[in-house]
Amino acid sequence: DIVMTQSPDSLAVSLGERATINCKSSQSVLYSSNNKNYLAWYQQKPGQPPKLLIYWASTRESGVPDRFSGSGSGTDFTLTISSLQAEDVAVYYCQQYYSTLTFGQGTRLEIK
Amino acid sequence: EVQLVESGGGLVKPGGSLRLSCAASGFTFSSYSMNWVRQAPGKGLEWVSSISSSSSYIYYADSVKGRFTISRDNAKNSLYLQMNSLRAEDTAVYYCARGLGPAAATYYFDYWGQGTLVTVSS
Repeated sequence: DIVMTQSPDSLAVSLGERATINCKSSQSVLYSSNNKNYLAWYQQKPGQPPKLLIYWASTRESGVPDRFSGSGSGTDFTLTISSLQAEDVAVYYCQQYYSTLTFGQGTRLEIK
Repeated sequence: EVQLVESGGGLVKPGGSLRLSCAASGFTFSSYSMNWVRQAPGKGLEWVSSISSSSSYIYYADSVKGRFTISRDNAKNSLYLQMNSLRAEDTAVYYCARGLGPAAATYYFDYWGQGTLVTVSS
């Protein structure tokens, strides 16, 4: 199975500042036939189910604020929150869907 | 509005069985793959099982293969997970999630239910 490793495990950022979460896969999740990266990002707030933020590594789900963006290709990916808001406090997960579905361990984002 | 509502969780002894259900509404259930994803208390997300829209393709995580059975009834807009030979390590919140993706087993999840807690303990 593809192992997804997120860094850091936890992160504290000041309101209005940029937050960056990294996700590395143990093998490429770029499918050569369609040139798409099979990588999604989710946000999970306490007591709630996960919410889809990003798919195809960089496509924002409808209704997700544009301060959230995804980037990367192959094995290295990044979720960026351009200007942290209080409501962004959550745990963030990456997930690959290139092969047997696997998630990263999660990154806890807090306010500094 | 898409809604997914899980039920059937509870306390069960090791070796016991439980059947989870997920009632779907607000979309054409028969057009989408459906999935179970679980989360142990205080832990991360773990994919459990997927079923394609017509039940032609079914997949399981190695950790549950041979013990869990996923099924669906498109006439009833319902998804199920039959869990047998339960172990303490199966203790988790079980989420029902709608899957999107280009092919069988290549899914990401755009809608999730609130989850149902399964506790395996003597």
